[in-house]
Amino acid sequence: AQTVTQSQPEMSVQEAETVTLSCTYDTSESDYYLFWYKQPPSRQMILVIRQEAYKQQNATENRFSVNFQKAAKSFSLKISDSQLGDAAMYFCAYRRKTGANSKLTFGKGITLSVRP
Amino acid sequence: KAGVTQTPRYLIKTRGQQVTLSCSPISGHRSVSWYQQTPGQGLQFLFEYFSETQRNKGNFPGRFSGRQFSNSRSEMNVSTLELGDSALYLCASSLSLSYEQYFGPGTRLTVT
Repeated sequence: AQTVTQSQPEMSVQEAETVTLSCTYDTSESDYYLFWYKQPPSRQMILVIRQEAYKQQNATENRFSVNFQKAAKSFSLKISDSQLGDAAMYFCAYRRKTGANSKLTFGKGITLSVRP
Repeated sequence: KAGVTQTPRYLIKTRGQQVTLSCSPISGHRSVSWYQQTPGQGLQFLFEYFSETQRNKGNFPGRFSGRQFSNSRSEMNVSTLELGDSALYLCASSLSLSYEQYFGPGTRLTVT
């Protein structure tokens, strides 16, 4: 069974600084998706960034980028130029690409606070 | 494009009652998934529907059921409610199975 681990329950960053959120996962599949979702106090889950396992290039979306290390099964999220609106809970998630049981598996999440 | 909508947003029920939650996916999306979120258990997968058929199911008791209609809208039902069913229920839609999912605002269910 696939598992996703986010070992840091909380992190804090100064506004305008850079922060990296860690995530590791376990799977026997070779092709899959990895995601980072943001859940602000409104509880609306927002897709931040997506990475396909077969793509070597790390995904980037504006101030958000990932460091995908397939062999190490590591998938960290880097937030540059942190803003107050980045304060939220962040979830790392895994999804098998094909076949049955392609559910989205989430980590426990990390609460990010941004200091003004 | 309108996002995923869920109704109702808030619900208070009594133990033993049943409840039905509704989810309308993004236009063109054919897959709908349901998740339960609680502080203790985090985000747990309930089930996923595609083309009116349940394709994946999580480890929840049979009191939790769902269905999908021909227009891709989905409902989930919880019968014989228990206090532990109090949670945020999130619906997510995707173009098809295994694509990225987009979430609705959730339904906050409180069981007293």
